[in-house]
Amino acid sequence: DAKTTQPTSMDCAEGRAANLPCNHSTISGNEYVYWYRQIHSQGPQYIIHGLKNNETNEMASLIITEDRKSSTLILPHATLRDTAVYYCIVRPLINTNAGKSTFGDGTTLTVKP
Amino acid sequence: DAGVTQSPTHLIKTRGQQVTLRCSPKSGHDTVSWYQQALGQGPQFIFQYYEEEERQRGNFPDRFSGHQFPNYSSELNVNALLLGDSALYLCASSLEGDRGFPYSNQPQHFGDGTRLSIL
Repeated sequence: DAKTTQPTSMDCAEGRAANLPCNHSTISGNEYVYWYRQIHSQGPQYIIHGLKNNETNEMASLIITEDRKSSTLILPHATLRDTAVYYCIVRPLINTNAGKSTFGDGTTLTVKP
Repeated sequence: DAGVTQSPTHLIKTRGQQVTLRCSPKSGHDTVSWYQQALGQGPQFIFQYYEEEERQRGNFPDRFSGHQFPNYSSELNVNALLLGDSALYLCASSLEGDRGFPYSNQPQHFGDGTRLSIL
């Protein structure tokens, strides 16, 4: 499984965009990039995923570089409730390794008033 | 539509004991994966169950075992508990079928976990 690297922590002002980077330089062609977040005492919550095109949903946008070696999760207007640990993972889609999502230690995002 | 539910929410055991944790997947999901999350770390994959059989396994000893029932619910069993087994145990469900990977790249949905403390 490809490994990901993320900054340990980031701060963001309330109402501003939060841009969370992720490096996955060893990603292979059959692996998607997924983002989850985990608020204290809760299970990880799915945010968004993508293969190579940029994706947007009601929660966030995902920008994947053309070489797919890195990506950025964008929360367009961060609120205090977005304070959480954000995980970037890659997940293979062929053979039976699909279930083996490999989580790193994530980025702790703190949104400040 | 209920999401993934886990029980109990908290549990305290002593070294050497055995524990069983339970998980009910999200409606419509057929695959259950279990993760261990130590304090301050990301979740680590334990194993995955599909059609009542273990399909994938992470780097965990045989003390960790599981079961999946015909209704897709699952149990995680840990024998001979060690202090290092203290962690948050997470269950995640998905719809994957016999292909071994998600239909339409649908994500796993996680429960809120069981906090296991070993004294």
